[in-house]
Amino acid sequence: DAGVTQSPTHLIKTRGQQVTLRCSPKSGHDTVSWYQQALGQGPQFIFQYYEEEERQRGNFPDRFSGHQFPNYSSELNVNALLLGDSALYLCASSPVAGGPTETQYFGPGTRLLVL
Amino acid sequence: AQSVSQHNHHVILSEAASLELGCNYSYGGTVNLFWYVQYPGQHLQLLLKYFSGDPLVKGIKGFEAEFIKSKFSFNLRKPSVQWSDTAEYFCAVNDKGYQKVTFGTGTKLQVIP
Repeated sequence: DAGVTQSPTHLIKTRGQQVTLRCSPKSGHDTVSWYQQALGQGPQFIFQYYEEEERQRGNFPDRFSGHQFPNYSSELNVNALLLGDSALYLCASSPVAGGPTETQYFGPGTRLLVL
Repeated sequence: AQSVSQHNHHVILSEAASLELGCNYSYGGTVNLFWYVQYPGQHLQLLLKYFSGDPLVKGIKGFEAEFIKSKFSFNLRKPSVQWSDTAEYFCAVNDKGYQKVTFGTGTKLQVIP
């Protein structure tokens, strides 16, 4: 049973560019959340997708956007990259509607470096 | 807004020592509480969670945590640590009815054989 997978594993971009990160949830899961983890910090909630719609959003600017596909996989897009966007981006999936008490299963993350 | 405080950033213990990692949250409503662990080279994974019932929660690998509502705390404990418990531990909270999970900054635990 494959867990949560993310691609790519590492990425280097320059300021002002745009980036797309991808996530495939664990089998049987339909809810995907995205987190940003800066060095030395805990993960910060970006947003969550369920039924192809953004269900809740954290304190991130509109430069951060996402999408969920009918097969429940998801993309995180970041436009106009800033140096401060350098971080590990984590995807987490949870089962069947992903209620607040559901366990989230995390992927390995994509490490983004903005130069 | 919710916040989570983990006051110990780095803890070093010898094997067989007892462990207690502090976690305090600030939020006046009803919450769900989690401890996640990240072993070296591995993904974040759930250690235990509390959402209702007995405030003493038991998790995997002999860990437990106690929810003390009056103190806004959810401290993690283990009576006797092993070298394999070396990892980073994150406390997290969300309020009931919402998906957003707020994490603390993490505590790095190093267990010396």
